[in-house]
Amino acid sequence: DAKTTQPTSMDCAEGRAANLPCNHSTISGNEYVYWYRQIHSQGPQYIIHGLKNNETNEMASLIITEDRKSSTLILPHATLRDTAVYYCIVRVANQAGTALIFGKGTTLSVSS
Amino acid sequence: GAVVSQHPSRVICKSGTSVKIECRSLDFQATTMFWYRQFPKQSLMLMATSNEGSKATYEQGVEKDKFLINHASLTLSTLTVTSAHPEDSSFYICSASPGTAVQETQYFGPGTRLLVL
Repeated sequence: DAKTTQPTSMDCAEGRAANLPCNHSTISGNEYVYWYRQIHSQGPQYIIHGLKNNETNEMASLIITEDRKSSTLILPHATLRDTAVYYCIVRVANQAGTALIFGKGTTLSVSS
Repeated sequence: GAVVSQHPSRVICKSGTSVKIECRSLDFQATTMFWYRQFPKQSLMLMATSNEGSKATYEQGVEKDKFLINHASLTLSTLTVTSAHPEDSSFYICSASPGTAVQETQYFGPGTRLLVL
């Protein structure tokens, strides 16, 4: 699976949009981009995933560049409860039975 | 989303004893489950892949005789830490997927915090 690079930490004011970048310059054509987050002392929570089109759900939006070498997770109106470690993971599409490999992620701190 | 549970959520044991952690998929069947370990301020590290009805596949550096995995049914996998030592103290997390579709999402349990005294 391709490697991802994320900033170590980011800050965001409550109510503002949080934009979390991820670089995956070696991504292959059949690899999806997944985002998970982990709130302190809990298991990771699925947020969103995509292949090449932008995706939106009730939690967030995922913007993937046209060359697919990077993506941005957007939390449109961050709250204090969004404080967590956010993981960007790329995964081969035909390996649903394989594990997700976690990097170090980005620690997002939302403050009032 | 699908629900994965773990039991117990916390366990404290004495050095040399064995501890069993259960991972259950509550509303779906999972042919494959995964076990991770997470030390303080570190990321999740994959320990093993648990396959229903067959032997688990362990990652390099993980002792299979120390971390026994049993996946006896499509909704239950267990991890037994045998002869636990203080260095085994960690946060253990399991995950599973509801299906085998190419983009199937994996869901994680809430984790089990193990403290070995």
